[in-house]
Amino acid sequence: QLHLQESGPGLVKPSETLSLTCTVSGGSISSSTYYWGWVRQPPGKGLEWIGSIYYSGNTYYNPSLKSRVTISVDTSNNQFSLNLSSVTAAETAVFYCARHSGLGRGFDYWGQGTLVTVSS
Amino acid sequence: QSVLTQPPSVSAAPRQKVTISCSGSTSNIENNYVSWYQQLPGTAPKLLIYDNNKRPSGIPSRFSGSKSGTSATLGITGLQTGDEADYYCATWDNSLSAVVFGGGTKLTIL
Repeated sequence: QLHLQESGPGLVKPSETLSLTCTVSGGSISSSTYYWGWVRQPPGKGLEWIGSIYYSGNTYYNPSLKSRVTISVDTSNNQFSLNLSSVTAAETAVFYCARHSGLGRGFDYWGQGTLVTVSS
Repeated sequence: QSVLTQPPSVSAAPRQKVTISCSGSTSNIENNYVSWYQQLPGTAPKLLIYDNNKRPSGIPSRFSGSKSGTSATLGITGLQTGDEADYYCATWDNSLSAVVFGGGTKLTIL
């Protein structure tokens, strides 16, 4: 059974860079069938796609965040990571990592989510 | 506001059926697959429907999906108290080159 687990600081200061890692177990991140993505959800609000990466390293970002987002993959450790720079307090959210079989296809496996608070 | 439009809330009694709509455009729903998610309070979203109308293994047949033109619909029959949750639609938008989610619909079981 595939399992995804987010990890990283729960508190980030405004203007700094938010960094999270998603560790995948029970399957290989190098599978050519899947994309690996990040989705965030501010408290009490809806879901927003941040971006996704293919095992080859090809990346796809939400245009509204593209200038501040970097997603990378570490196949040797079966992990992928998110960096979001210049964060503001309004970007406090639960961040989820998830797998999908295509850019327009369903996210079938999700991590439990991790709350990142942006505050000084 | 979201590119995909969902009603903020719907409600129905146990054992009844409900539909949740997701309205988009030619740049998203009409030409791409739609997926649906259930999010129980305090938990991660769960995939209910993918590729417009397919159910992942383990999802009951009470949940169904359909698509027509620029709109998609999630149907739930035989409502149970455990179905009370937020529901989201999602698809790819060709103009934005982005995955887009609907704003979410809160289902209340009366």
